[in-house]
Amino acid sequence: KQEVTQIPAALSVPEGENLVLNCSFTDSAIYNLQWFRQDPGKGLTSLLLIQSSQREQTSGRLNASLDKSSGRSTLYIAASQPGDSATYLCAVLAGNYGQNFVFGPGTRLSVLP
Amino acid sequence: EPEVTQTPSHQVTQMGQEVILRCVPISNHLYFYWYRQILGQKVEFLVSFYNNEISEKSEIFDDQFSVERPDGSNFTLKIRSTKLEDSAMYFCASSAHIPGRTYEQYFGPGTRLTVT
Repeated sequence: KQEVTQIPAALSVPEGENLVLNCSFTDSAIYNLQWFRQDPGKGLTSLLLIQSSQREQTSGRLNASLDKSSGRSTLYIAASQPGDSATYLCAVLAGNYGQNFVFGPGTRLSVLP
Repeated sequence: EPEVTQTPSHQVTQMGQEVILRCVPISNHLYFYWYRQILGQKVEFLVSFYNNEISEKSEIFDDQFSVERPDGSNFTLKIRSTKLEDSAMYFCASSAHIPGRTYEQYFGPGTRLTVT
């Protein structure tokens, strides 16, 4: 059964700092991995999608990497801003037909001005 | 930009009542999903739907739950007899199978269900 973990559970950093969020999964047979952002009481906003054949994806100040063999992904946020404060969720797409998303518990990020 | 919409944003119901949560997926998407997030817990997969039938479901999705695509635009989740533990945020998602972006899922804003 696929399990997804994320560390740290919470992170507080001063504005401008570069930071790394970590995601681990137990079964490397995944179709893709998505990073999401969730603001309190809100829905999920897709940030980056990495296909299983890819090693990284970049969007603006965000860079996500994927190492399937070790079951790990990292989300790198450059030059953090207070507006980046949110919970960041990692999810892997597995299942019989590649449609069953398994989510991690998230990392709650606070960027202090 | 196309987006997934959900109604209502908040539903309060009494235990034992039936509720229907509604979703309008992105128009050219063919795969539809329901997830839920109990307050303070992980997002959990409930069910996926393709070609007018359930393609995958989790252990949570028992006989109390059903899904339907009643017309060309709506996708609904029905809970037949709600329990207190059904209180959660319910998210609808949809995806298209696009080469290079397999099953990228787009989520709606959620419906907060409170069972009293």
